Amino acid sequence: DTGVSQDPRHKITKRGQNVTFRCDPISEHNRLYWYRQTLGQGPEFLTYFQNEAQLEKSRLLSDRFSAERPKGSFSTLEIQRTEQGDSAMYLCASLSGFSTDTQYFGPGTRLTVL
Amino acid sequence: AQTVTQSQPEMSVQEAETVTLSCTYDTSESDYYLFWYKQPPSRQMILVIRQEAYKQQNATENRFSVNFQKAAKSFSLKISDSQLGDAAMYFCAYRNPNFGNEKLTFGTGTRLTIIP
Repeated sequence: DTGVSQDPRHKITKRGQNVTFRCDPISEHNRLYWYRQTLGQGPEFLTYFQNEAQLEKSRLLSDRFSAERPKGSFSTLEIQRTEQGDSAMYLCASLSGFSTDTQYFGPGTRLTVL
Repeated sequence: AQTVTQSQPEMSVQEAETVTLSCTYDTSESDYYLFWYKQPPSRQMILVIRQEAYKQQNATENRFSVNFQKAAKSFSLKISDSQLGDAAMYFCAYRNPNFGNEKLTFGTGTRLTIIP
């Protein structure tokens, strides 16, 4: 059990470019969550997966955002046509199949849009 | 919708002293979970302590304890014998009890500084 990992840790991009982030959850955790954290704020829920199914998306997730979790393992979050307002820390968390369990967070990907 | 409020953006405490961080929340549910997470600078968020609303006993984890007041919808964190390694952002979080979507609702955080 190596914990939740995220790649890259930092991403700097120019406005209008597409970016993709990856999250590898703790093995055998069937639930995976994406959150966004802007400076001075707490994390805000974006979306979550149970296995490969995306079951809920926040209103924060505009149509420029898409997330996938093929085969119920790792997940990717893609942002198309990035805007300066997308600059934030993107956090991934995973949870086992037991509802009473705790979410374990990855180190996050810090996105800076110039 | 559930909301979580942390009214102390910053707190400081002398090393070895005790500090209490405040958190209030709003929900119409009778059963739920509450958490305190710690986020050190440039490091990942880790769980400090959790409380199930149906439990009357306050949770404790070594130097960390909570004061859970369900009627007042208050959930404060007490850190005893503060250490330099406790310096971090602390987030209070709420989770509803529904099986299948355990998304967390966070407060805005409290930055804790430990004074040597």
